Amino acid sequence: GAVVSQHPSWVICKSGTSVKIECRSLDFQATTMFWYRQFPKQSLMLMATSNEGSKATYEQGVEKDKFLINHASLTLSTLTVTSAHPEDSSFYICSAPYSGSKNNEQFFGPGTRLTVL
Amino acid sequence: AQSVTQLGSHVSVSEGALVLLRCNYSSSVPPYLFWYVQYPNQGLQLLLKYTSAATLVKGINGFEAEFKKSETSFHLTKPSAHMSDAAEYFCAVSDYGNNRLAFGKGNQVVVIP
Repeated sequence: GAVVSQHPSWVICKSGTSVKIECRSLDFQATTMFWYRQFPKQSLMLMATSNEGSKATYEQGVEKDKFLINHASLTLSTLTVTSAHPEDSSFYICSAPYSGSKNNEQFFGPGTRLTVL
Repeated sequence: AQSVTQLGSHVSVSEGALVLLRCNYSSSVPPYLFWYVQYPNQGLQLLLKYTSAATLVKGINGFEAEFKKSETSFHLTKPSAHMSDAAEYFCAVSDYGNNRLAFGKGNQVVVIP
């Protein structure tokens, strides 16, 4: 099946710094990818839809200047958390629909654990 | 907008007993419905999905779910729980042709030996 990877798997940073998280579709092309965040013991909340070659679409309440999304190629989307603060600490997960699967099944990355000190 | 409701954040089940996780959805159009499993510090793995074909859907690891339009439900079951079933389970919905998923709050399943 299709594979989605994320890098890094975990990152610790100081408050005020920026962190970039990569999401790659390893064996298929993805014109669209999705970014979610998950707080401990809670559900996944859709943050934004990443569109290859165009601007991302953000969900209501998500600061687009805070969470910069770049989808520069058909296999790579990046999420940059700018000026990170402790409240940004979370588990970030990306997903991509695979057009080669029945009903465009989505495949999820393994997630990135961000801890902001 | 579509949404799902999962009741009971923690579910304890004895090994060998029936696993039943409830999911009710709200959608203005025919939905696609999904059950995902998440192990600690990992991404989500698809258990099964309903996409307007058969109402009884069989998935991996012995799980199945039944779509009941009259009850707007998509409950997940497994006849006999195994220790390896201990994980977090999420129900999700998307509109037909729309890849944006809305997740329920999840059920943490604990299997008691």
